[in-house]
Amino acid sequence: AQSVTQLDSQVPVFEEAPVELRCNYSSSVSVYLFWYVQYPNQGLQLLLKYLSGSTLVESINGFEAEFNKSQTSFHLRKPSVHISDTAEYFCAVSDEAGGTSYGKLTFGQGTILTVHP
Amino acid sequence: NAGVTQTPKFQVLKTGQSMTLQCAQDMNHEYMSWYRQDPGMGLRLIHYSVGAGITDQGEVPNGYNVSRSTTEDFPLRLLSAAPSQTSVYFCASSGRRNTGAFFGQGTRLTVV
Repeated sequence: AQSVTQLDSQVPVFEEAPVELRCNYSSSVSVYLFWYVQYPNQGLQLLLKYLSGSTLVESINGFEAEFNKSQTSFHLRKPSVHISDTAEYFCAVSDEAGGTSYGKLTFGQGTILTVHP
Repeated sequence: NAGVTQTPKFQVLKTGQSMTLQCAQDMNHEYMSWYRQDPGMGLRLIHYSVGAGITDQGEVPNGYNVSRSTTEDFPLRLLSAAPSQTSVYFCASSGRRNTGAFFGQGTRLTVV
């Protein structure tokens, strides 16, 4: 069984400030890791993912996340946020073994990021 | 290029009524899933499918049925709606390489 904990339910920041959204996971097997973003009244969009290789992964809009296996963490960071980054962010894991585990995601509780002018 | 399409977007049901939430994807993905989203609880897996004719239960399957007769479609049936099923429902699909799931826009269901 897997579990995901997002340590902050809400994170308010000012525009152009840095931000970190924290995610820890627990699993007895190796996992794939994902961050999804949900804008108001919309579905979830994949922001970035870690499958293998470099532990630092980046998105096209300036977010990055680092997989830390020893600390079982996958924190999301952005050095300078914009008003348009206001959204809810979800950390998720899936079993690396694949097979019937594909398509089965375990989500954290979500973190609402609010960027103030 | 529709991706994952869910219908309806909004629905109000009376307790005890039944209904089917529709989900279709046009990406030829093998894997499809249904999640419910409740405040402060993230998304929880209801049912999933690894291909046509194959389904299995997720974390919160009670009160829901699914079937997958084609690769494209994965409907979710509520047999006898209860107020506890008031939620936002998301359908998702993913390919074999598990490079991340694609989500529909969601169905907001209210059971009164």
